[in-house]
Amino acid sequence: GNSVTQMEGPVTLSEEAFLTINCTYTATGYPSLFWYVQYPGEGLQLLLKATKADDKGSNKGFEATYRKETTSFHLEKGSVQVSDSAVYFCALSNFGNEKLTFGTGTRLTIIP
Amino acid sequence: GAVVSQHPSRVICKSGTSVKIECRSLDFQATTMFWYRQFPKQSLMLMATSNEGSKATYEQGVEKDKFLINHASLTLSTLTVTSAHPEDSSFYICSADRGQGYNEQFFGPGTRLTVL
Repeated sequence: GNSVTQMEGPVTLSEEAFLTINCTYTATGYPSLFWYVQYPGEGLQLLLKATKADDKGSNKGFEATYRKETTSFHLEKGSVQVSDSAVYFCALSNFGNEKLTFGTGTRLTIIP
Repeated sequence: GAVVSQHPSRVICKSGTSVKIECRSLDFQATTMFWYRQFPKQSLMLMATSNEGSKATYEQGVEKDKFLINHASLTLSTLTVTSAHPEDSSFYICSADRGQGYNEQFFGPGTRLTVL
């Protein structure tokens, strides 16, 4: 079956630091990959996605590249801000089947 | 953008009572909606897939008689927790599939259920 493994948090960084949150997956076929963000007190929002190998998803300065050879979809940002403090979830779904499988989430705290 | 609402946002009930949670897609039609449960500091666990006009598909281990799902229209799905007990206390989140090839789910803000 499908599974997503995400680096455990919490992660605490200083403002303007470089961020990497690791995500690897196991899936049959060619899944679509997602990063969702959950700000305090809010629901999940799609941050970025990639639907095929070597695709790069990007949004709000965040990037992740779909690496089929390493089954990874690591999230990166060059310079984090306090407003990036949230919980980040890596997820996948199989083509033609919209069920999402989530990682455990990584809580990110950015300190000024 | 696509907006999904949930009501109520918080509910506290006594053990043995039933609680209904509504999930609405406000500006699009959703033939498929999903219900998730999120435990503290844990990930989202898919409970069931709700399809408009048909019976919900439950994930393994989820009691269909305890968690009743009704998808009566293209914009509304409801989750009823029947005879709730303290172990049902959790954060329940719904999402709606916009379909039409978007391959993206839009999530509601969640409902915090506390059973005393």
